[in-house]
Amino acid sequence: QKEVEQNSGPLSVPEGAIASLNCTYSDRVSQSFFWYRQYSGKSPELIMSIYSNGDKEDGRFTAQLNKASQYVSLLIRDSQPSDSATYLCAVNSITSGTYKYIFGTGTRLKVLA
Amino acid sequence: DTAVSQTPKYLVTQMGNDKSIKCEQNLGHDTMYWYKQDSKKFLKIMFSYNNKELIINETVPNRFSPKSPDKAHLNLHINSLELGDSAVYFCASSRQLYDTQYFGPGTRLTVL
Repeated sequence: QKEVEQNSGPLSVPEGAIASLNCTYSDRVSQSFFWYRQYSGKSPELIMSIYSNGDKEDGRFTAQLNKASQYVSLLIRDSQPSDSATYLCAVNSITSGTYKYIFGTGTRLKVLA
Repeated sequence: DTAVSQTPKYLVTQMGNDKSIKCEQNLGHDTMYWYKQDSKKFLKIMFSYNNKELIINETVPNRFSPKSPDKAHLNLHINSLELGDSAVYFCASSRQLYDTQYFGPGTRLTVL
């Protein structure tokens, strides 16, 4: 089992719809969770970070964390063609002095105009 | 001003050569990282330096050697380049260890 799993997609949604991206992780002691967006040929850039269970909203983006079920999701409301990119989930844990920061393989999102 | 910069942006070289990639951040961050992103877009951490001290050294060949002359710089030297080293290498920095990371533009390395 991969430590951080994402559906590779592509996930296609029409413009204006809600895009839902999911990520599961295997390490129960994971502490911090991040969503990055990466446009083709560009570097990853942070969209949201979340540290505690529940929802966190920032503009059109909402991150949801459920530590009991070990998943974190990202909702994008009113999706725009400019949201078309690969979305990377990253999970951070520190166990017995060992640091881990692991990215998922990313979900490619296509927003259709 | 660019927050995290890398040079060169593109690097094309022959198998067996030695090459270096440089990274600089002007964010005042304590921690810097090197990542490798392969053709399948998987982003894998290679090294992490905190206050010039090596914190994480993932299982990478010892042909790869990072060097941090000061907190603002983290260079990556690669000896005896192999075809499988072809990838995009990203440098990143964060305020503290494994805090939000800010990525450089990447260096696309092609080994012929």
